[in-house]
Amino acid sequence: DTGVSQDPRHKITKRGQNVTFRCDPISEHNRLYWYRQTLGQGPEFLTYFQNEAQLEKSRLLSDRFSAERPKGSFSTLEIQRTEQGDSAMYLCASSFAVIGGGLNEQFFGPGTRLTVL
Amino acid sequence: KNEVEQSPQNLTAQEGEFITINCSYSVGISALHWLQQHPGGGIVSLFMLSSGKKKHGRLIATINIQEKHSSLHITASHPRDSAVYICAVPEGYSGGSNYKLTFGKGTLLTVNP
Repeated sequence: DTGVSQDPRHKITKRGQNVTFRCDPISEHNRLYWYRQTLGQGPEFLTYFQNEAQLEKSRLLSDRFSAERPKGSFSTLEIQRTEQGDSAMYLCASSFAVIGGGLNEQFFGPGTRLTVL
Repeated sequence: KNEVEQSPQNLTAQEGEFITINCSYSVGISALHWLQQHPGGGIVSLFMLSSGKKKHGRLIATINIQEKHSSLHITASHPRDSAVYICAVPEGYSGGSNYKLTFGKGTLLTVNP
């Protein structure tokens, strides 16, 4: 296993188009997270999954954003009707969380850099 | 929500210098992450620590839970250490296990040869 992978690494799109990103977590990890990072800022939490269940969504995730993890393995993040303000690095992370286990380390993918023209 | 502050924002050093980056947070936590991000690149986890000190090669991370403060030290810095260093803390617990992270804005380190 080579870690968390994301596809594509870069995406340039025109305003109003839909885009979809994919994240493949480390295979035995049950949690998957999406974060967004804008230029000069630290990443911000968007949403996370425990297996296939989406357990929390940030207020940053408007109705134009949807995320899925249909079989509890890979995840997709779709942005509909993209806006210039959506331009950012979209990061995926995964971890293995034991219920009641306290600490679990997150491992990050390389990110998908989205540019909306 | 935990407020995470890092200092300095930018740091320039000469090769071989000892580097210290600081992180403070406002709400008590169970563990803190130090992460490294190269320009245009993804994030690599350096340390997750809940108490005391951890060492990996030339990197040392310390945490003082009572004072809500952590430091990342780099000994004998090298140009390849040039990157953004980010600290992050868990925002809460889900199923008894910490989950989403709140990040600092990062410290941009440039090490000149």
